[in-house]
Amino acid sequence: QVQLVQSGSELKKPGASVKVSCKASGYTFTSYAMNWVRQAPGQGLEWMGWINTNTGNPTYAQGFTGRFVFSLDTSVSTAYLQISSLKAEDTAVYYCATPVGATRDFDYWGQGTLVTVSS
Amino acid sequence: DVVMTQSPLSLPVTLGQPASISCRSSQSLVYSDGNTYLNWFQQRPGQSPRRLIYKVSNRDSGVPDRFSGSGSGTDFTLKISRVEAEDVGVYYCMQGTHWPPRLTFGGGTKVEIK
Repeated sequence: QVQLVQSGSELKKPGASVKVSCKASGYTFTSYAMNWVRQAPGQGLEWMGWINTNTGNPTYAQGFTGRFVFSLDTSVSTAYLQISSLKAEDTAVYYCATPVGATRDFDYWGQGTLVTVSS
Repeated sequence: DVVMTQSPLSLPVTLGQPASISCRSSQSLVYSDGNTYLNWFQQRPGQSPRRLIYKVSNRDSGVPDRFSGSGSGTDFTLKISRVEAEDVGVYYCMQGTHWPPRLTFGGGTKVEIK
């Protein structure tokens, strides 16, 4: 069955970097895009963008350019989200999501990774 | 950019009673292929979101038939025919028609038991 397993919670200081992983299983990793979604504490869902798992080409939504980087390691079916120069407002749960059975949306989600930025 | 507006923000419902959530888009969600890519997600407390409905009215596998989606163009509705305790959570609509450049979520509607 399709599974997306994300790395564990992170506590970082402002200015540091963090790398969140999302390991996929149960399907051909390079056949479906990987999306990233942010959810700040008590807030709604915000689409951050996606990465083409076949070409490695990332696309970032407005507001997620510059400090946010999507990457892949197809040898281990894993997608990564790296955030640099962390700020307190980056504190959020970050989800990966993929459209294995979907078109123009996603039907499988990871369990989420809480990133807390605090001094 | 397409803006998705949900109402109400909060929806207290008595167990066994119906519930209805509205989602409006700032632009038509009819895609050039004739489909309308409007989806509904449920997020129970402490859990990841789960897709309930895709392309306006298609229920995902395992979704109880008390959930139904309807609408067209810019106006859409998610209905729960008889609310159960396990339905508590936040519901989001999301458009995929105008991707690229982006997928857009509504602000969410919190369903709670009175």
